Amino acid sequence: DQQVKQNSPSLSVQEGRISILNCDYTNSMFDYFLWYKKYPAEGPTFLISISSIKDKNEDGRFTVFLNKSAKHLSLHIVPSQPGDSAVYFCASNYGGSQGNLIFGKGTKLSVKP
Amino acid sequence: DAGVIQSPRHEVTEMGQEVTLRCKPISGHNSLFWYRQTMMRGLELLIYFNNNVPIDDSGMPEDRFSAKMPNASFSTLKIQPSEPRDSAVYFCASSFSGVAKNIQYFGAGTRLSVL
Repeated sequence: DQQVKQNSPSLSVQEGRISILNCDYTNSMFDYFLWYKKYPAEGPTFLISISSIKDKNEDGRFTVFLNKSAKHLSLHIVPSQPGDSAVYFCASNYGGSQGNLIFGKGTKLSVKP
Repeated sequence: DAGVIQSPRHEVTEMGQEVTLRCKPISGHNSLFWYRQTMMRGLELLIYFNNNVPIDDSGMPEDRFSAKMPNASFSTLKIQPSEPRDSAVYFCASSFSGVAKNIQYFGAGTRLSVL
C-alpha cells in the first residue's frame, strides 16, 4: 500500500512556463515533506522541504504548497528551464527525527526549449 | 566537501555469487540509509543506522541481505547468494539528525546486474 503517491509518471512543459508536480499522501502522522530531483546516473538531490505547520515554502523558482486537509502537496517551478528536466520525487517523514523517509515513485519532468 | 561515496558504480555478477556494496557517508553525519530502486517498487528503504547501530531493517527483503556499519565512516550491504531479481540500483544516503530535519544526502548509486 503506497503511502506517498505521485500519480503522474511524466509531465512535459514548455520552457518559461510553470511546472506543477503533485503528490498525495495517506498517513496523517506525516509531519515533514521533501522534494528531491534526480538526473540519470546520479543519486537524488534535495530540492526543497516543508513542515506540516506551514502551507507554503519558497526557494527561488521553486515553491512547495501543502494542503493538510486534502493530504496533498505540490511543487511549482516558475519559470521552467530545460535544466529542470529530471525525475522529481516526493518524500514524507515517517515518525520521529531519525529520518525514515517514504518516497513516491517519481514524476519525470521534461522541459522543452 | 565530498558527498556520499558509493562503490562500485556498476556490478555485474552471476547468480549465486556474493555481492558487496560499499558506502562512505558524509563526515559528521550520524544516520545512514540503504535504498533499492526498481521500476516496479520505486525507492525502497532497506535498512537504516543511527550512530552505527541498525535501527530498522524491516525493509531488508530476505536473509540473503545483510548490512553492517563497523564505524561512522563506512557501511556495507551484502547479498549472498545473489539472484537475478536483486538486479536494481542501490543507493546509500546519510543525514545529520536534529539540524535540517530529515534531509538525506544520496550517493550516486550502484547499479547491480545479476545474470
